Amino acid sequence: LAKTTQPISMDSYEGQEVNITCSHNNIATNDYITWYQQFPSQGPRFIIQGYKTKVTNEVASLFIPADRKSSTLSLPRVSLSDTAVYYCLVGRSTYKYIFGTGTRLKVLA
Amino acid sequence: EPEVTQTPSHQVTQMGQEVILRCVPISNHLYFYWYRQILGQKVEFLVSFYNNEISEKSEIFDDQFSVERPDGSNFTLKIRSTKLEDSAMYFCASSVGRDWRGAYEQYFGPGTRLTVT
Repeated sequence: LAKTTQPISMDSYEGQEVNITCSHNNIATNDYITWYQQFPSQGPRFIIQGYKTKVTNEVASLFIPADRKSSTLSLPRVSLSDTAVYYCLVGRSTYKYIFGTGTRLKVLA
Repeated sequence: EPEVTQTPSHQVTQMGQEVILRCVPISNHLYFYWYRQILGQKVEFLVSFYNNEISEKSEIFDDQFSVERPDGSNFTLKIRSTKLEDSAMYFCASSVGRDWRGAYEQYFGPGTRLTVT
């Protein structure tokens, strides 16, 4: 089971780009990397998923280096409404439904 | 955009009472899940359900819990005799597929806040 490590919390200001890095040193060859977002009192919401290189959607970008031992979720120009907890799940931790403590992002005005 | 719905949004019950939490997963999804989140704590997996049977359950999901898909659209979680420590947000989720690569996203409902007094 790929163990993930991500910062417990981050602060940012509105309009800034936020990068949250997740470390997953023992990622398996075929594992996907998935990020979820959770607002207070709501269910987690899928943000983005990738396998290698870069994935971009309307919400975020996901950067995965060649060795795949880490990944970075990039949120462009955050707003107050991006204040949430962000979870990184890898391969079998997704299969085994393990949500860790995540990264608590606080966006300041 | 299709979404998972849950009812009720908030349920208050007395200790020892039975509660049924209801969920309507996304219509073409095949895998269904229940999670819970105690206030301020992690999202915890309870159970997954596929092809009308439990495919996996956690140690939290003891004999007090049961799940059912009574018809083609609803998915329910029953707690037979609630305890104070069952107070939590309960989230239902569904997915099209499931594999060990983690390639399938789960769609979560808005949750039911269960308060046991």
